[in-house]
Amino acid sequence: DIQMTQSPSSLSASVGDTVTITCRASRFINTYLNWYQQKPGKAPKLLIYLASTLQGGVPSRFSGSGSGTDFSLTITTLQPEDFATYFCQQSYMTPLTFGPGTKVDSK
Amino acid sequence: EVELVESGGDLVQPGRSLRLSCAASGFTLSNHAMHWVRQVPGKGLEWVSSISWNSENIDYADFAKGRFTISRDNAKNSLFLEMNSLRREDTALYYCARDRYNSGWRWFDPWGQGTLVTVSS
Repeated sequence: DIQMTQSPSSLSASVGDTVTITCRASRFINTYLNWYQQKPGKAPKLLIYLASTLQGGVPSRFSGSGSGTDFSLTITTLQPEDFATYFCQQSYMTPLTFGPGTKVDSK
Repeated sequence: EVELVESGGDLVQPGRSLRLSCAASGFTLSNHAMHWVRQVPGKGLEWVSSISWNSENIDYADFAKGRFTISRDNAKNSLFLEMNSLRREDTALYYCARDRYNSGWRWFDPWGQGTLVTVSS
């Protein structure tokens, strides 16, 4: 199975900050890496697919990069509605696996 | 509007069975592969199972093999998850989610609101 790790597990930031979350796969996954945002009591929401393609309707302050085993999600000019937990997920092979999540909260 | 609505979650005793349903609306179900993903409240996400548009390709997580069965009825715009021999560790919120493509698992969008399965005596 492909193990996904994320760092940090949590971070505190202020509105207007730029935040970067990293995700690492235990083996090569090309660019089959997706990012989701989850707010308390809500279902996850797709932000980015194939490592760097922004899902329709997602603000451009979100961006993704990486390939192979190392990936990142960057949120520029953090907004109040961006405080949430972020998960990466690989779709290179089954079992499909998720990272443990990164909680972004208000400093 | 694209919408997925899960139902069927309940409190059940270990060893019993449960059938989850997911009603799809706002899109043509037969154009998409579908998935089940679960989450223990407050914890991470865990993929359960996936099914192609025509049910010819199906995959399960190891913990689901032999106990869970995914199925779909495109004519009724519905996805199902039959869960047998339930264990306490199956306690979770179960989400259904749509794939971008009709086969080959890629990404989950959108997700339903989830249905809670609690396995306890």
